[in-house]
Amino acid sequence: EAGVAQSPRYKIIEKRQSVAFWCNPISGHATLYWYQQILGQGPKLLIQFQNNGVVDDSQLPKDRFSAERLKGVDSTLKIQPAKLEDSAVYLCASSLAGASTYNEQFFGPGTRLTVL
Amino acid sequence: DQQVKQNSPSLSVQEGRISILNCDYTNSMFDYFLWYKKYPAEGPTFLISISSIKDKNEDGRFTVFLNKSAKHLSLHIVPSQPGDSAVYFCAASGVDSSYKLIFGSGTRLLVRP
Repeated sequence: EAGVAQSPRYKIIEKRQSVAFWCNPISGHATLYWYQQILGQGPKLLIQFQNNGVVDDSQLPKDRFSAERLKGVDSTLKIQPAKLEDSAVYLCASSLAGASTYNEQFFGPGTRLTVL
Repeated sequence: DQQVKQNSPSLSVQEGRISILNCDYTNSMFDYFLWYKKYPAEGPTFLISISSIKDKNEDGRFTVFLNKSAKHLSLHIVPSQPGDSAVYFCAASGVDSSYKLIFGSGTRLLVRP
C-alpha cells in the first residue's frame, strides 16, 4: 500500500513570496490533516479535512495560509506571502476513519520550507 | 500553553538497556494517548497507544504506562536497539479537543552500540 505522498520535499523562498505544497493521501482515507512542525517543537495541526469539507481550521493563519482538498482526495496548502517565521516542516497526514473518533494517522515525509 | 510536555529533549542509552521516555499533560479531559517515532527526513510513524481506561499497554519491546492521577505517561523500550535511535513524540487526544492530536516537543533517543 502506497503511503502519503508530499511534494516538493524541500523549498527555499524569500520572504513575501508565495509557495504551495501538495499532498496525496493514502487511497480511501477520508480525513486529511496538515501540520506545521517548527524546529524543536512537535507537529501543530493547521487544518483538518473530512472528504472535501473543512472540519477544523482554528489554528490556520487565514490571512496568509489557505488550503483546499478538491474532490476529497489530493490537497494543497498555500502560503502567501511567506514570513520568516513560516520556516518549518509541513507534514500531511491521512486517516481512514472520520473526525469523530480516534484513528491512526499516517504521515507523509513532509516538506521542509526555508524562508530567507 | 503547552498541554503536552516532554521535558527531556534528549536521552542516551546503551544498547540492551531500558529506555524510558516521559510525557506529562495538563488537560484532564485527554483520554487517548499515542507515541510516534520519527527518523530524520521522514514523517512520524505510529508506535503504540493507550486509552485512559487502561494503565498499561504492551507491544513487543514497547510498553506504555499511564498514570492518570499524575497526568503522566511513559514509554519503555526493552531491550533498546541502535535502530530505535529516533525522535519520539508523545501525543494526546480527547473529545473536548475534537480528537485532535496535541503533540509534545519530542525526545531524541540515542542508543549507543
